[in-house]
Amino acid sequence: GESVGLHLPTLSVQEGDNSIINCAYSNSASDYFIWYKQESGKGPQFIIDIRSNMDKRQGQRVTVLLNKTVKHLSLQIAATQPGDSAVYFCAENNAGNMLTFGGGTRLMVKP
Amino acid sequence: GAVVSQHPSRVICKSGTSVKIECRSLDFQATTMFWYRQFPKQSLMLMATSNEGSKATYEQGVEKDKFLINHASLTLSTLTVTSAHPEDSSFYICSARAPTGYSSYNEQFFGPGTRLTVL
Repeated sequence: GESVGLHLPTLSVQEGDNSIINCAYSNSASDYFIWYKQESGKGPQFIIDIRSNMDKRQGQRVTVLLNKTVKHLSLQIAATQPGDSAVYFCAENNAGNMLTFGGGTRLMVKP
Repeated sequence: GAVVSQHPSRVICKSGTSVKIECRSLDFQATTMFWYRQFPKQSLMLMATSNEGSKATYEQGVEKDKFLINHASLTLSTLTVTSAHPEDSSFYICSARAPTGYSSYNEQFFGPGTRLTVL
C-alpha cells in the first residue's frame, strides 16, 4: 500500500540552531499533510499542516515545505529549543480521508 | 483547540482478560473517531475507523473480534481488547475528526494515549 517515509531516524542539533526534518511520501493523490510532535508517553500534538495546493506554510518558529514534484515534505524549526526534543511524524491524508503516518524522526536538542 | 481524552491512561492486566479503553471528545461532536496502535520506537498504525451509529471499519490484519469497537454516541468511542495477550501490549491512541468548519481542513485531534501492559 501507500506509505510515508522519513530519511533520518534521529537528528541531533545544538540549541539555538535551526532544525530540518524531512519526509518522503508516495501517494500522489494525498491532498493534505500534517506534522505532529510526540513526546514520550503522550499522544501526537498537531504542529502545522499544509494543503497540496500550497508549497509553503509558516507558523510560529515552524515552516512546512511541500514539493509535490519529488513528493517531499519538510519541517523547519527555527531557533530550536530543548522543549522541541521529541519524535516528529509527518502524516498524509489520502483520498479516503485517512491519515498515514511516517516512521518518525527523533529530534534531540543539545544545550 | 479541541480536547480528546482517553481513559485509563495506563492499565496492567493478566493474560486472558479483557480491557476497555474509552475515547471522548470533550468539546465537540465527532461522527468519526480513529484507533491507532503504537509499538515502542515505531510509528502510529491505524487499527480501525469508528463511525457513530454504525460498524467500525478495520484495517487489514486487525482482528475485529479481538478489538471490539463501539461508537455509541457522538462523543464516545470504546476499544475493548478481548482475551488480551502479552503481544497486545502497546500504546493505544485514539483521535477524533473535527466537524466541518471547526478547525483546519480534516484535522484529527488526538487523545493522550493508553499504555496497555499484558502480563
